[in-house]
Amino acid sequence: AQRVTQPEKLLSVFKGAPVELKCNYSYSGSPELFWYVQYSRQRLQLLLRHISRESIKGFTADLNKGETSFHLKKPFAQEEDSAMYYCALSNRQGGSEKLVFGKGTKLTVNP
Amino acid sequence: DTEVTQTPKHLVMGMTNKKSLKCEQHMGHRAMYWYKQKAKKPPELMFVYSYEKLSINESVPSRFSPECPNSSLLNLHLHALQPEDSALYLCASSLKASEGQPQHFGDGTRLSIL
Repeated sequence: AQRVTQPEKLLSVFKGAPVELKCNYSYSGSPELFWYVQYSRQRLQLLLRHISRESIKGFTADLNKGETSFHLKKPFAQEEDSAMYYCALSNRQGGSEKLVFGKGTKLTVNP
Repeated sequence: DTEVTQTPKHLVMGMTNKKSLKCEQHMGHRAMYWYKQKAKKPPELMFVYSYEKLSINESVPSRFSPECPNSSLLNLHLHALQPEDSALYLCASSLKASEGQPQHFGDGTRLSIL
């Protein structure tokens, strides 16, 4: 079964410290993986997709097929990074694709 | 217009009422989605529409009835809901329902069933 695991429910770091939010997946095929973020009182929005291999707001994520991981990293966390982060897998079903979300990690960046 | 707009923002209804949630986008997206999100949980997919046709129904109870009247609109008709249906209902859209397209989410409708 397709599954996304985010092992940390809560993560707290200090401003300027590196941060890594973990995501592991199980999928039989070539996965399409995403990170979505929800800031306080804002809508859920796309942060990164693995296929574009870009850096957004200083965050990067590399797909590691050997370890079935897609961890999100930022070298120097900022207070405005505090938010709920969801890792998601795009799963093909019936000719359409659907997103399967992990349970999310709430990141708090302390001053 | 680069947003997904959902109305109403809040809805309180009794178990015998009939109401509808509305979702609109004008980004030319041809895939639209309904999700249910309970507090402190991730969104759970309910329905996927691709080119105005229902392509995925995640075994959602029939008291939820989706409708896609055109490529810009998505409705969710509600009837005889249960208290456990209280949740945030999110609408999303993407360019297509394929090829790993990112989804754009609305703010949601917060539904309370009395």
